[in-house]
Amino acid sequence: GAVVSQHPSRVICKSGTSVKIECRSLDFQATTMFWYRQFPKKSLMLMATSNEGSKATYEQGVEKDKFLINHASLTLSTLTVTSAHPEDSSFYICSASDKFYGYTFGSGTRLTVV
Amino acid sequence: GEDVEQSLFLSVREGDSSVINCTYTDSSSTYLYWYKQEPGAGLQLLTYIFSNMDMKQDQRLTVLLNKKDKHLSLRIADTQTGDSAIYFCAVIYNQGGKLIFGQGTELSVKP
Repeated sequence: GAVVSQHPSRVICKSGTSVKIECRSLDFQATTMFWYRQFPKKSLMLMATSNEGSKATYEQGVEKDKFLINHASLTLSTLTVTSAHPEDSSFYICSASDKFYGYTFGSGTRLTVV
Repeated sequence: GEDVEQSLFLSVREGDSSVINCTYTDSSSTYLYWYKQEPGAGLQLLTYIFSNMDMKQDQRLTVLLNKKDKHLSLRIADTQTGDSAIYFCAVIYNQGGKLIFGQGTELSVKP
């Protein structure tokens, strides 16, 4: 079946620095990738939708300058958390979709900002 | 608007059946999903159902869909301690094909 590789699985960074999270679709080309954020014991909140070669569409309330999304190819999307603060600490999950496999999720990235 | 609701907790004894319920507001979704999340892990697709179906059974899992009431349920037969996890229902909204999740139901299985 389809596999989505998400890296890193865990990252700890200092306040004010930027962190990049990668999401790769293996063995298939993802027409669309989605980025979610999950708070402890909470649901997944959709942050943005990205299509290859075009600008990401952000959900209401998500700061596009803080959460930079790049979808340079059909197999890779990146989320960069810029000038991270402790309140950005969360679990981030990506999802890649195509017409054959539907939605496939990465294993998530636990971000801790200290 | 886009709204998917689930009860937050369910506790059952090992061997019993578990039923997790979900309601949604947008009826345009062609697919409805159930995902499982274990602590600290990503999402595992358990099963899905097409909107033109009323029921789907897959081994211990049974999904029931009531389109009129916009109600989806997941029944786990012979629940095991390994089934303890958070279960999310998710529906696709036609606007951009976004997958919207319920709050998740934390299933606790007691031996």
